[in-house]
Amino acid sequence: DVKVTQSSRYLVKRTGEKVFLECVQDMDHENMFWYRQDPGLGLRLIYFSYDVKMKEKGDIPEGYSVSREKKERFSLILESASTNQTSMYLCASSLGTGNEQYFGPGTRLTVT
Amino acid sequence: EDQVTQSPEALRLQEGESSSLNCSYTVSGLRGLFWYRQDPGKGPEFLFTLYSAGEEKEKERLKATLTKKESFLHITAPKPEDSATYLCAVQDYGSGYSTLTFGKGTMLLVSP
Repeated sequence: DVKVTQSSRYLVKRTGEKVFLECVQDMDHENMFWYRQDPGLGLRLIYFSYDVKMKEKGDIPEGYSVSREKKERFSLILESASTNQTSMYLCASSLGTGNEQYFGPGTRLTVT
Repeated sequence: EDQVTQSPEALRLQEGESSSLNCSYTVSGLRGLFWYRQDPGKGPEFLFTLYSAGEEKEKERLKATLTKKESFLHITAPKPEDSATYLCAVQDYGSGYSTLTFGKGTMLLVSP
């Protein structure tokens, strides 16, 4: 079974802090994704990566950056957290184009 | 721009009362349509992939079907444990990557 793990289930940070969210997958998947999910807005793609050290912007990249130094690990960075970044963050991975994405359990981030 | 619309937004059923959820989509070229189940506070769980019109997939009480404009998730004799939000997503040949466009979901509640 594919397993995608995220570093924290719940996180509380202060405005202006730098926040790191980490995601690890154990199935040698090529592609990894970061989404945020908010009530009424659904799942929105922040960034994705199709190879080590490669990254592409999704629909809402502003205020975020990413890092993929190893194939199995994809990090989301909030350079200076703001209250409007309070959300559920979901990481996903897929084997390749046309394949389903597998999601991690999510990180509920609260910025105060 | 790809669009996915799910209806109804919410559905309440009695145990054993069969029904269908709808996913209408607009893409330039459908590479795949994906169904997920999401429990509160958790990441989406992959259910099915459909690739071409006329295709059907089944899993326990769930059956997914696909036409050129929409997909249905049929739930036969549902049980309370089927209560969840069901998400539909599409992948477009034109996107060039493995990104998905998600609908906002249908929240299903099955009462005993």
